[in-house]
Amino acid sequence: DAGITQSPRHKVTETGTPVTLRCHQTENHRYMYWYRQDPGHGLRLIHYSYGVKDTDKGEVSDGYSVSRSKTEDFLLTLESATSSQTSVYFCAISASETQYFGPGTRLLVL
Amino acid sequence: SQQGEEDPQALSIQEGENATMNCSYKTSINNLQWYRQNSGRGLVHLILIRSNEREKHSGRLRVTLDTSKKSSSLLITASRAADTASYFCATDVDTGTASKLTFGTGTRLQVTL
Repeated sequence: DAGITQSPRHKVTETGTPVTLRCHQTENHRYMYWYRQDPGHGLRLIHYSYGVKDTDKGEVSDGYSVSRSKTEDFLLTLESATSSQTSVYFCAISASETQYFGPGTRLLVL
Repeated sequence: SQQGEEDPQALSIQEGENATMNCSYKTSINNLQWYRQNSGRGLVHLILIRSNEREKHSGRLRVTLDTSKKSSSLLITASRAADTASYFCATDVDTGTASKLTFGTGTRLQVTL
């Protein structure tokens, strides 16, 4: 699992509340990614980071923000959660052109 | 937009049979990768094939790439029940140092005893 952990692993929240998901890596990789996985869509890139304080948008970035103040942590924030953001969220790191994924966070927005 | 589309969406075979999954994509790529996802788990990298390669092997896995047709196939030989999982292709169009993958929708493989 390339030393990647995600927290929380499961979360239920209400529409309109802020939510922050955390991805933590132990191997000092430069590139980190946030994806969401939904039935019929595969994985879609939300945001990625190429270093501390260096981030960029992915395919489905609307409604999400990210921050990376330390190499090991990449945070994904839903400023005001909506039901359409109910999904499974995966964090990944990149090493030698391949990506290694965390275990995922199941988020349910009611 | 979805870069890769897998075919079939679902596949059910018996243990010992071969399983073939196909992936089509839309734009020129730097490399194409295959990943496996067991139920409720994260994705696991299986194999990477570069745009200048046509075929690659890894254990019971064989991957082909046809850039003229913008398609790839993953063959799993002598399948086992433990191969039951979803399989995704992912394309990387970036030639820089950042790996930015675009995933297909996946093929769900069921291997029965």
